[in-house]
Amino acid sequence: EAGVAQSPRYKIIEKRQSVAFWCNPISGHATLYWYQQILGQGPKLLIQFQNNGVVDDSQLPKDRFSAERLKGVDSTLKIQPAKLEDSAVYLCASSLNPLRGSETQYFGPGTRLLVL
Amino acid sequence: TQLLEQSPQFLSIQEGENLTVYCNSSSVFSSLQWYRQEPGEGPVLLVTVVTGGEVKKLKRLTFQFGDARKDSSLHITAAQPGDTGLYLCAGAAEFQGGSEKLVFGKGMKLTVNP
Repeated sequence: EAGVAQSPRYKIIEKRQSVAFWCNPISGHATLYWYQQILGQGPKLLIQFQNNGVVDDSQLPKDRFSAERLKGVDSTLKIQPAKLEDSAVYLCASSLNPLRGSETQYFGPGTRLLVL
Repeated sequence: TQLLEQSPQFLSIQEGENLTVYCNSSSVFSSLQWYRQEPGEGPVLLVTVVTGGEVKKLKRLTFQFGDARKDSSLHITAAQPGDTGLYLCAGAAEFQGGSEKLVFGKGMKLTVNP
């Protein structure tokens, strides 16, 4: 079974530029998550989709971050404009159902973003 | 805001030693998960504990969920270089619509030297 795919793996941009990340979840997984992991910290949930609807985006900085999941499969996360503090690893994860009990989230390898 | 504190944050030991990682919170979680994350990769789930007082074993790893479901520990026996990585605990908190969301600790970076 193929895992969660993310691209690009690495991205270096200058502040105030725009950047987009792509995620392809495990086939059949209805729930998709985007996390931000700053160096030395654990992942922080940015947004959760159930199919193509947003379940939770309470920690998404909506003035600069946006995400969509058209057709309930692939998802893109965009930052516009980027700030220095956005330097982090952006992890995508998926689960068959919304997280409950023993439901498992499967993580992709992440996209490492460096904002100069 | 629910927080999970992990200790120690860094640990460097020799092959064959034992170690324990702690994950503590003032909040109650419906379940708690432990992940290991290797450099350049995403976290991989090791175990989920659900019941207060529950103990689970995975080869040389022993996981325990506190009776009050606020804390957990991970004990590794006879550590090996392959155990090197970042160990993350994550508590599942009730959210809307009957689903849950994970709150992660900062992790414990383990280095096992040959």
